[in-house]
This record gives sequence, structure tokens and C-alpha cells, in this order.
Amino acid sequence: AQRVTQPEKLLSVFKGAPVELKCNYSYSGSPELFWYVQYSRQRLQLLLRHISRESIKGFTADLNKGETSFHLKKPFAQEEDSAMYYCALLPGNTGFQKLVFGTGTRLLVSP
Amino acid sequence: GAGVSQSPRYKVAKRGQDVALRCDPISGHVSLFWYQQALGQGPEFLTYFQNEAQLDKSGLPSDRFFAERPEGSVSTLKIQRTQQEDSAVYLCASSLFGLDLSGTGELFFGEGSRLTVL
Repeated sequence: AQRVTQPEKLLSVFKGAPVELKCNYSYSGSPELFWYVQYSRQRLQLLLRHISRESIKGFTADLNKGETSFHLKKPFAQEEDSAMYYCALLPGNTGFQKLVFGTGTRLLVSP
Repeated sequence: GAGVSQSPRYKVAKRGQDVALRCDPISGHVSLFWYQQALGQGPEFLTYFQNEAQLDKSGLPSDRFFAERPEGSVSTLKIQRTQQEDSAVYLCASSLFGLDLSGTGELFFGEGSRLTVL
């Protein structure tokens, strides 16, 4: 069965500090991985996906198949980054539509 | 509308009552998903529609849960004889053509319907 683990419920940093939100997954095949974000009083939205290799709002995530990890990183955190972050996995079966989410990490960036 | 719309936003039900939650997806979106999010947890998949066809209902926790999308647009999630463990936020999401591994495909979520069963 597929599983996504986000070991930290809360990550608290000061503005300007580096941030790393951890995500580990369990899946025997080749998944596609995503980070979703929910800002206060807003709906859940896509932040970035592995296959796009993009940097969004200064965030990047690298897939490490050896460690089965997809950690989200940002070199200098901003207060507006405070939000709930969810790592999600899409199994690599064609036509499979079930996104599997982790339990989320709340990032709090203090001034 | 501009995004996925869900109603009601909040619902309080007495144990044993039936509830119906509505989802209006983004116009033209073929795929529609329902997720359940319990307090302190991530969203958990319930079911998936492609147009009016329910292609995956493997996440529905019991036969008390039923979802439909009869005309391929609006969807309703019905919970019969609600129990306290049904208390959660129910999220609806739509996607133009669904998720795929090529990098296209994105879920657009609604604000959710918060169900509290007393």
C-alpha cells in the first residue's frame, strides 16, 4: 500500500532562516509527487510537482528515490510562507487517480 | 463560477440523520473527486468521477456513503445514518482531465463542507 509520512506536525522558524519540510513515501513503483499548501482561510492548492522541476515562491523539492524522500526546501523563509503543507503521492499506474496525502506540517515563520 | 463551490459550508447533524453535501466543480472539468479530512489528518480519497461515471469508489468507508454525479457536473455526497466518526471536512476537487504522470493535471479544491455529528 502507498503511504506518505510527514514526521513533523509543526515547524517553527524565524524569517530569513532556511526551511526544510520532510516527506518520505512508501511505494514500490515510480510515483509522481506533489506538494500542496493551504494558507490561512484559503483552500488547498498545488504548490509544486516533481515532474515540472520548477521553483515556486522560492520553494524546491528533489525526489530522492534511494531514500524515498521528497523534502520541500526554501533557503530564506518569509512570514507569508506560514501555512499548512501537505506532501502527496500519485501511484504510477496509468489511469490511477487516487492522490495519497501525508498528515501535513504546519510551518510557522516568525518575524 | 471562479472555482469549486461546496455547500453547505457547515453542517451539524444528530447521530442517525442523513446528510447531503453538494459540489459544483469548475465548469468544463471532466474529473471530480471527494476527499475526507478528519481533524489533524491529511485528506483521504473517497471517490472519483469522470463525467457521470464513478470510476473509483474504493475509499468510501461504508455503504452508508454514496456519491453521484448524474449529469457529469454537480455532484452530491450523501451520508446515511450519520455516526460521530463521520465528523470531518469533506473536500471536493475537480480537474480538467484528471491526474496523470506527464506533469499536467491539477486538482482544484473547494473550501470544504465541515460536518459535525453530535
